[in-house]
Formats: sequence, structure tokens, C-alpha cells
Amino acid sequence: QKEVEQDPGPLSVPEGAIVSLNCTYSNSAFQYFMWYRQYSRKGPELLMYTYSSGNKEDGRFTAQVDKSSKYISLFIRDSQPSDSATYLCAMSAGNAGNMLTFGGGTRLMVKP
Amino acid sequence: DTGVSQNPRHKITKRGQNVTFRCDPISEHNRLYWYRQTLGQGPEFLTYFQNEAQLEKSRLLSDRFSAERPKGSFSTLEIQRTEQGDSAMYLCASSFGQSTGELFFGEGSRLTVL
Repeated sequence: QKEVEQDPGPLSVPEGAIVSLNCTYSNSAFQYFMWYRQYSRKGPELLMYTYSSGNKEDGRFTAQVDKSSKYISLFIRDSQPSDSATYLCAMSAGNAGNMLTFGGGTRLMVKP
Repeated sequence: DTGVSQNPRHKITKRGQNVTFRCDPISEHNRLYWYRQTLGQGPEFLTYFQNEAQLEKSRLLSDRFSAERPKGSFSTLEIQRTEQGDSAMYLCASSFGQSTGELFFGEGSRLTVL
């Protein structure tokens, strides 16, 4: 079983919909949680960064972390066709080196 | 552009050949990471440097792989005697100091081994 699990999708939604993306993890040492967006044949781009449990909002994006359930979410409001990409969750224990463990990514398609 | 730069963007090689990838991190970043990503999967950690010191290597990094970061600036990742299973996107990322999570990735170098 992988340390970080993420539904690969694809997830197809109409423009304007609210999108919910999720990851579960097994390592209780993880304290730092990130969401990256990756367009086809490009490198991952950092979207959201959260420490420990709680919510963080940035524009149309909201990240939630529930450490008790080992579950993190990314919500996208008013989704746009330009949001079509693969979304990767990543997490770290914050130890020396700060190596990230990634989920497999969820492919999102927003249809106009 | 002051982001992470990787070269070449795409390399096609025959099995058994050696290949080398270069990464130029964001200039003030002292940490540099190499990850590997195969199709449909998330990136997997390979190795990381703090300045010129290579401090951690994944068990994914077989003895055919070697990474260097002379003078703590750019880094190279060499793969010797390539195998078809080495075909992947090789991603470089950098971060600053004690930051805990904010890695900035380059566009990646895609390797195809025929």
C-alpha cells in the first residue's frame, strides 16, 4: 500500500462547478501538506501549502487538512477550463532534507 | 526567467548509452532535489543536496545513477548504461534554507530509452 493515496480520475466537471480533490495518507509523521498543479509535459507548480491541521484559502482555492483522519482536500470554486490539469498532493514530515512524498495525481477536466 | 532551469528538455537514447541532465536552481536556493516521474504517477524522490553536499539518496538511485552539485550551484544527474526502465521524466526542484515544503520545480527532462 502506498503512503499517499489519490484517486487518479479523470474527474470531469462543467465550467463553474466546485471541484473537490482528496488524498489519504498513512504516515502520522507528516506535518506539511501541499498541492501542486501539473499541466501536461510540464513540471509541478506549487498551489497551496499548509502546516498541520486546518484550512487555508487563496482566491478560488481552499486547502483543508484533517490530521486525525489523515485526509487532505483541495477545493476549487468557479472552476475554469484553464484549471484542467493533474493535481498532485504532497506531504512531508519536515525532517532534515524535507523530502516530499507525492500522491499519484488526479486528472481534472473542466469542460466549457 | 529566474525559475529552475533543466536541460535538455527531451533526450532519446539507445539502451546502454550514458546520459546526463543538468539543473540550474533558483539562484538563492541552497537545497536542490532530483525526482523521477513515470507516466500516470506522482514524482518519486531520488536525491537531494544542501549546497554541494549530497545528504540523502533514495534506494531508487541504483549505482548506475550519479548526481553531483559542484560548488553548490548547478547539478548534474548522470545515468550510465541506460535501460528501458529508466524512461521517465526527471524533475529538479530547489528550495531555500530551512523551508519545509515549498519546493519549486523545473520543467523536467524527459528521457526515452529505445
